[in-house]
Amino acid sequence: DTEVTQTPKHLVMGMTNKKSLKCEQHMGHRAMYWYKQKAKKPPELMFVYSYEKLSINESVPSRFSPECPNSSLLNLHLHALQPEDSALYLCASSRSTSGGSRSYNEQFFGPGTRLTVL
Amino acid sequence: AQKVTQAQTEISVVEKEDVTLDCVYETRDTTYYLFWYKQPPSGELVFLIRRNSFDEQNEISGRYSWNFQKSTSSFNFTITASQVVDSAVYFCALKANFGNEKLTFGTGTRLTIIP
Repeated sequence: DTEVTQTPKHLVMGMTNKKSLKCEQHMGHRAMYWYKQKAKKPPELMFVYSYEKLSINESVPSRFSPECPNSSLLNLHLHALQPEDSALYLCASSRSTSGGSRSYNEQFFGPGTRLTVL
Repeated sequence: AQKVTQAQTEISVVEKEDVTLDCVYETRDTTYYLFWYKQPPSGELVFLIRRNSFDEQNEISGRYSWNFQKSTSSFNFTITASQVVDSAVYFCALKANFGNEKLTFGTGTRLTIIP
């Protein structure tokens, strides 16, 4: 199983709503990532979890709150978002975050959640 | 600091033509990894290849081939006999070996194959 799944596929929310994005992988990967991608731009890293601990927060506003309940699951809790937060949110996983000649750290991406904030 | 440059913003070719996507990178690290990803209109980023900096052997996979030239800091991607299904945005990316968990993406090249 080389798949990363994300739910929901599409989400429309108002600025006062609270919602969550979910990501799941069963490849035994120990690193998981959240990216934000605006139209015609490359993905921008938001958060990295390594062995279920937050290792990178790229100065993301607190209205985005990540959670890693276990090694297979990654959530992104959304609260009081702004219209400019509308984007494609991508989850990814990799075997690890570190390098080394025997370490394969290619990231495998899910299909994304297309978020629209009204 | 790391940087990936994909100078070609958009490319259009007629089906069955060959096409090369350019990628130039900058890094101070002596060991690093290079990647190519494909993003079709559906949105999912599809992993295509990883190349280690210490392995300069070129690679061919079906209609796809990659040319890694450390001397010019380039990692170019060629599609032979292009097909409509190859239409997508292609991203080149770079990752350092140690102490840096970030994947640095280029700005992407939008490839359109005209039937």
